[in-house]
Amino acid sequence: EVQLAESGGGLVQPGGSLRLSCAASGFTFSIYWMHWVRQAPGKGLVWVSRINTDGSTTSYADSVKGRFTISRDNAKNTLYLQMNSLRAEDTALYYCARGSYSSSWSQDYWGQGTLVTVSS
Amino acid sequence: QSALTQPASVSGSPGQSITISCTGTSSDVGGYNYVSWYQQHPGKAPKLMIYDVTYRPSGVSNRFSGSKSGNTASLTISGLQAEDEADYYCSSYKSSSIVVFGGGTKLTVL
Repeated sequence: EVQLAESGGGLVQPGGSLRLSCAASGFTFSIYWMHWVRQAPGKGLVWVSRINTDGSTTSYADSVKGRFTISRDNAKNTLYLQMNSLRAEDTALYYCARGSYSSSWSQDYWGQGTLVTVSS
Repeated sequence: QSALTQPASVSGSPGQSITISCTGTSSDVGGYNYVSWYQQHPGKAPKLMIYDVTYRPSGVSNRFSGSKSGNTASLTISGLQAEDEADYYCSSYKSSSIVVFGGGTKLTVL
């Protein structure tokens, strides 16, 4: 069974940093693209970032470019999101999602999310 | 990046069909066949319902179908059921290797 378990969320002050992790199990992690998608409370889904299978190619939404870094450790079956210079508008539930093998730009399995709150 | 445009809400009675639109530009919806649709029930993670405009993942009911014309993609749900009541989001690949989502549509089954 495919499982994605996010962790690392919490309360952080504006300008602070957090590193989110996503532990993957139940599938061959190293052959799938991975994505981060966020959802502010009561709002819609917003794509954040994606990484290819070996970590050599990444892309980011304009709103986080230069502040967030996506990475992966295929030996540990873990996806990461390093978030720096956090702003109030980054407050959201952050989902880790697997890129579909049939179409890497879609996401076929999602975790339950980890909540990030940016507030003083 | 601007979100794709979806109606805020749609509604239908059990057994009816409804269609949700998703309008973008030639840089996203109109330019690539990488449109996806997701269903999200309250407090739950999203579920992939359609990918690459028209394809259903294994296990998704054939009552769900997708299409595209120009810069607008559509999700049609036929034989509406109570459990279809949820929020629906479209997404598309956009030039420069990014993904954009729509603002979401709340489906109410009357």
